[in-house]
Amino acid sequence: GQQLNQSPQSMFIQEGEDVSMNCTSSSIFNTWLWYKQDPGEGPVLLIALYKAGELTSNGRLTAQFGITRKDSFLNISASIPSDVGIYFCAGQLRDRAARQLTFGSGTQLTVLP
Amino acid sequence: DTGVSQDPRHKITKRGQNVTFRCDPISEHNRLYWYRQTLGQGPEFLTYFQNEAQLEKSRLLSDRFSAERPKGSFSTLEIQRTEQGDSAMYLCASSLLRPGSGANVLTFGAGSRLTVL
Repeated sequence: GQQLNQSPQSMFIQEGEDVSMNCTSSSIFNTWLWYKQDPGEGPVLLIALYKAGELTSNGRLTAQFGITRKDSFLNISASIPSDVGIYFCAGQLRDRAARQLTFGSGTQLTVLP
Repeated sequence: DTGVSQDPRHKITKRGQNVTFRCDPISEHNRLYWYRQTLGQGPEFLTYFQNEAQLEKSRLLSDRFSAERPKGSFSTLEIQRTEQGDSAMYLCASSLLRPGSGANVLTFGAGSRLTVL
């Protein structure tokens, strides 16, 4: 099955710094999504990307759908304490009836004051 | 709309007992998904429903697991004869997938955390 490699596994940054994380796949996806998960909660959607090369922003977050359709990255600018959490990439195939999401293993972000 | 609701949020049980989790999806959503998440990992797909029909099960869903969505609204996930390896967060998600649509965005609930002693 598809495997998503997400890196880095964890990051410790100073408040105000920019953050970048990425996700690569052994096979293509039609849709990439980025979710954030706080402790004891479910993942919350941050950004959805629907076509290769697409660059989409949501406030301080920017994500891109790689042109090979096998990768995506997420940038967070000017980090703040509430950015702490686990960030997951997820890929989806339109030709799968289930259209389920395949998740990466997550990037744990810690923002130091 | 309060989003996707899951109950209970936490369940501690002894090995060999049966447990049941409930999920109430967003009301207008036609699809409902169950995922399992273990510590340090991303969620893994278990099964999904299109309205009341269960259309796919992953290999992770052993015979001890059964899911239902009897009226196409809420769903239950039952685990029989629990094992310590079943300890995980069980996440429910729902979506509205229209025919011909390229987008299937899943909205997740807060999860039900199972601990098997």
